[in-house]
Amino acid sequence: EIVLTQSPGTLSLSPGERATLSCRASQSGSSSYLAWYQQKPGQAPRLLIYAASNRATDIPDRFSGSGSGTDFTLTISRLEPEDFAVYYCQQFTGPPSMYTFGQGTKVEI
Amino acid sequence: QVQLQESGPGLVKPSGTLSLTCAVSGASISSGNWWSWVRQSPGKGLEWVGETFHDGRSNYNPSLKSRVTISADKSNNQFSLKLTSVTAADTAVYYCARNSKWELMWWGQGTLVTVSS
Repeated sequence: EIVLTQSPGTLSLSPGERATLSCRASQSGSSSYLAWYQQKPGQAPRLLIYAASNRATDIPDRFSGSGSGTDFTLTISRLEPEDFAVYYCQQFTGPPSMYTFGQGTKVEI
Repeated sequence: QVQLQESGPGLVKPSGTLSLTCAVSGASISSGNWWSWVRQSPGKGLEWVGETFHDGRSNYNPSLKSRVTISADKSNNQFSLKLTSVTAADTAVYYCARNSKWELMWWGQGTLVTVSS
């Protein structure tokens, strides 16, 4: 069973600063299977990045993803007020299908 | 624009069965995508419960497999979740979602299910 470890647990930053979030997998997998989500309080998660580095529809270009193997990174180049949220990475494995999430990184002011 | 809406009882008794339905609009349940359930315990992270395809195939999280059934209802363009023998640990917000290759593209707003007597 794959385990995803996100770091840091909490990131305290100011608007305009750069945020770098890490996701480390316990075993190597295809980068095609790595996604990132944003979740704000009381809302469903929103897909930001798929296949490690591809932005989902309508996601601003200040969000970027990178990485391969076991180490992946989500970067927010310049934080906007609406970016303060919890971010989760997710890895697909299979067959049979299994979707595993990291424990989340909270980006706070 | 795909829209998903969860519905079902918000309160389930311990040892009972949790039953939820996800109504899909803006897309056909037979479109070739898989359809998933994800849950989030209060203040906790996300846990994938399982997925179904319109032809009857399903896959489940091994940690829940013995208690879960997910199935598609093509005639009503919806899919459902049944979780048996529930305990307080199953209290969570349950989300339905549409898969896109290897990630979850579209999500419902979520519904809180509390397990309590």
